[in-house]
Amino acid sequence: SQQGEEDPQALSIQEGENATMNCSYKTSINNLQWYRQNSGRGLVHLILIRSNEREKHSGRLRVTLDTSKKSSSLLITASRAADTASYFCATDVNDYKLSFGAGTTVTVRA
Amino acid sequence: GAGVSQTPSNKVTEKGKYVELRCDPISGHTALYWYRQSLGQGPEFLIYFQGTGAADDSGLPNDRFFAVRPEGSVSTLKIQRTERGDSAVYLCASSLTRGAGANVLTFGAGSRLTVL
Repeated sequence: SQQGEEDPQALSIQEGENATMNCSYKTSINNLQWYRQNSGRGLVHLILIRSNEREKHSGRLRVTLDTSKKSSSLLITASRAADTASYFCATDVNDYKLSFGAGTTVTVRA
Repeated sequence: GAGVSQTPSNKVTEKGKYVELRCDPISGHTALYWYRQSLGQGPEFLIYFQGTGAADDSGLPNDRFFAVRPEGSVSTLKIQRTERGDSAVYLCASSLTRGAGANVLTFGAGSRLTVL
């Protein structure tokens, strides 16, 4: 079973705009990660945020975590065509197992 | 190697056949994972190896699925008597230590299995 749920399922934006996607989960976590998957490829790790952190930045990515609401958001600023991909949040079920959501498919139009 | 390598990248087989999928993790990564991804879904956990031993195989759907990692490096996922429902992308990942929650997983490109 998958703990995380991403919202929206799909997102289409113009190049240069920001893209925001959300992840909700059910049980307590130690860490939450975001991964990107380009079509037909494996997942690539983007960012990890720990349960005692509220916000984290990496380049054009900004992740927030609200443990009281059991939710996280991923913001991609100034989107580019190369950001077209599916984005997954993953929560730690235990110290080795990750539970992934169904993902948000982002399309960036030129 | 530089990344996680999976072979074959694509496998088409007939119902009832036996299939082996291979994963070559990053050199030195002791933890190895298999996940399965169905169309439009996120990856689902199958099995976790720490070294040579399967520490958790609770995600394997049934006894037709089996995985080995005899020397603590390369792993093979074996599927017997394949069924159409086994069609999916099988992803392998590795990490430096056992803690997936505290460590980053590096995924391979996956093996797409189609059972006709």
